[in-house]
Amino acid sequence: EAGVVQSPRYKIIEKKQPVAFWCNPISGHNTLYWYLQNLGQGPELLIRYENEEAVDDSQLPKDRFSAERLKGVDSTLKIQPAELGDSAVYLCASSLDPGPGTQYFGPGTRLTVL
Amino acid sequence: GESVGLHLPTLSVQEGDNSIINCAYSNSASDYFIWYKQESGKGPQFIIDIRSNMDKRQGQRVTVLLNKTVKHLSLQIAATQPGDSAVYFCAETGGSNYKLTFGKGTLLTVNP
Repeated sequence: EAGVVQSPRYKIIEKKQPVAFWCNPISGHNTLYWYLQNLGQGPELLIRYENEEAVDDSQLPKDRFSAERLKGVDSTLKIQPAELGDSAVYLCASSLDPGPGTQYFGPGTRLTVL
Repeated sequence: GESVGLHLPTLSVQEGDNSIINCAYSNSASDYFIWYKQESGKGPQFIIDIRSNMDKRQGQRVTVLLNKTVKHLSLQIAATQPGDSAVYFCAETGGSNYKLTFGKGTLLTVNP
């Protein structure tokens, strides 16, 4: 069974440019998470979806970050405009049920903002 | 060791030795704890979990111990192998919002 797929794996952009990350969760997983991971730190939740509904987006900086999961499957996380401090790894995870122990993580997208 | 800034706590062991990785948490309401392993360039991988009504749980070569009195969690890896080299994170959650809070992480290096 394929795991969580993310693309691109790496992205380098200049500040003030937009960027988007894509995630395809494990088939049948209704819950999808986006995390931000800074170097040497643990992941921090940005947003959690149950099907197409964002049930927890309290940690998402809504002035520049947006996310969507229109059909309850794939998801896109966007940053516009990017800032230098946004350089990090963006992880997507999915779970069959909204229980924390069953989250499966993708490999992440490493973003570098110059 | 102690961590300062971006420096991870590190643990270096010889292949075949047992490893113990520690984690302190601060939220007394946390009732579910998880250990994750993260290899370079990969996402975190679930290792083992434990609920707050338990003190100890064992898996294959791994044991998690929970001391709620001092809010301390540990991961024991038996007969550590080079493939165990990674960063290990503890994570906690409490209540029904399923929001995981990750700890700082410990870099485990296994020397052959």
